[in-house]
Amino acid sequence: AQTVTQSQPEMSVQEAETVTLSCTYDTSESDYYLFWYKQPPSRQMILVIRQEAYKQQNATENRFSVNFQKAAKSFSLKISDSQLGDAAMYFCAYRSGGSGNTPLVFGKGTRLSVIA
Amino acid sequence: DTAVSQTPKYLVTQMGNDKSIKCEQNLGHDTMYWYKQDSKKFLKIMFSYNNKELIINETVPNRFSPKSPDKAHLNLHINSLELGDSAVYFCASSHPGGNSPLHFGNGTRLTVT
Repeated sequence: AQTVTQSQPEMSVQEAETVTLSCTYDTSESDYYLFWYKQPPSRQMILVIRQEAYKQQNATENRFSVNFQKAAKSFSLKISDSQLGDAAMYFCAYRSGGSGNTPLVFGKGTRLSVIA
Repeated sequence: DTAVSQTPKYLVTQMGNDKSIKCEQNLGHDTMYWYKQDSKKFLKIMFSYNNKELIINETVPNRFSPKSPDKAHLNLHINSLELGDSAVYFCASSHPGGNSPLHFGNGTRLTVT
């Protein structure tokens, strides 16, 4: 079974600074996808960014980018120019590839605080 | 235009009662899911349905019974509620294929007293 580990239960960053959230995963599959979701206090689950395992290029979405190291099974999220609205729980998630209907497997989350 | 909607948003009930949570999606997805988020924020899959058929049941007590009347709806019925059932329950949906992200509802906070 696949597992996802987020080793930082809490992180904090100064507004306008950069922060990196760590995520590692364990799988024997070669075809899979990785995601970061954000959960603000409103409880919504918001997709931040996704990465295809077969792509070497790291995904970016505006201020959010990932460092995907396939051999190391590492998938960290970098948030640049942090804003107060970035304060939230961040979840790393894994999904098996193929055409099936596999669920997301989540890490335990990292709570990010942004300091004004 | 809410993509995945759950009702109710909050549910407070006593031990032993039976309750239901409804979920509907208007995204045209074939697959729907129920996740449980515990007090430590851990999200765990409970059930997955594809085109009204159960495809994943993750060792959830049989007091929990999902029902999918059509592929746009997946309801969760819970019998004989226990204190440990208190959690936030999320409905989600997706297209098939690993590259498709899950779209989540806003969750239902269930409190059992």
